[in-house]
Amino acid sequence: NAGVTQTPKFQVLKTGQSMTLQCAQDMNHEYMSWYRQDPGMGLRLIHYSVGAGITDQGEVPNGYNVSRSTTEDFPLRLLSAAPSQTSVYFCASSNRDRAGYTFGSGTRLTVV
Amino acid sequence: QKEVEQDPGPLSVPEGAIVSLNCTYSNSAFQYFMWYRQYSRKGPELLMYTYSSGNKEDGRFTAQVDKSSKYISLFIRDSQPSDSATYLCAMSDPGTGANSKLTFGKGITLSVRP
Repeated sequence: NAGVTQTPKFQVLKTGQSMTLQCAQDMNHEYMSWYRQDPGMGLRLIHYSVGAGITDQGEVPNGYNVSRSTTEDFPLRLLSAAPSQTSVYFCASSNRDRAGYTFGSGTRLTVV
Repeated sequence: QKEVEQDPGPLSVPEGAIVSLNCTYSNSAFQYFMWYRQYSRKGPELLMYTYSSGNKEDGRFTAQVDKSSKYISLFIRDSQPSDSATYLCAMSDPGTGANSKLTFGKGITLSVRP
């Protein structure tokens, strides 16, 4: 039982490049979310999903796309990386009926 | 005004002290209240969860919710160096479900000195 797995753990991108942050969970959780964490800003919600085929925007969705074709996977796509997207990204999942998210270990992204 | 405000810290206490961590919020629809603990370079982990008002105790940790004042607290008794971490409060409302859309405080970093 691996929980929430995020890949890669570290990434350096050049401005304008695109990439996909991967997130997979093996707990059969309905809910999945992506957060970014910046110094002094706390955790901010980017996108979330309440089930396969259903996604919605969070607080800071611009520059990011998501899709949820399966219960297990919830990839986050950066369309055209900008230095402002330098951050630590966390994926999280939870059960519909049980409060509290299980977080992955994070992806540290630097855009130069 | 942000929906959730948390004391910025950092906070440093001696081992054995009682620690009080607090958050205030403005959205009266919030019903689910959580505390997460995050060790350095790790993902947050759920520490305590409370629904609506009241207290909840788990070992050395006590979570309190005062909805009339829109104020939540986490108390740590007999603090240990292993409690050194960043603590984040989080909340959500029933309209979006307990977990679908959490709003987090900025977090406070606690250091417990041996």
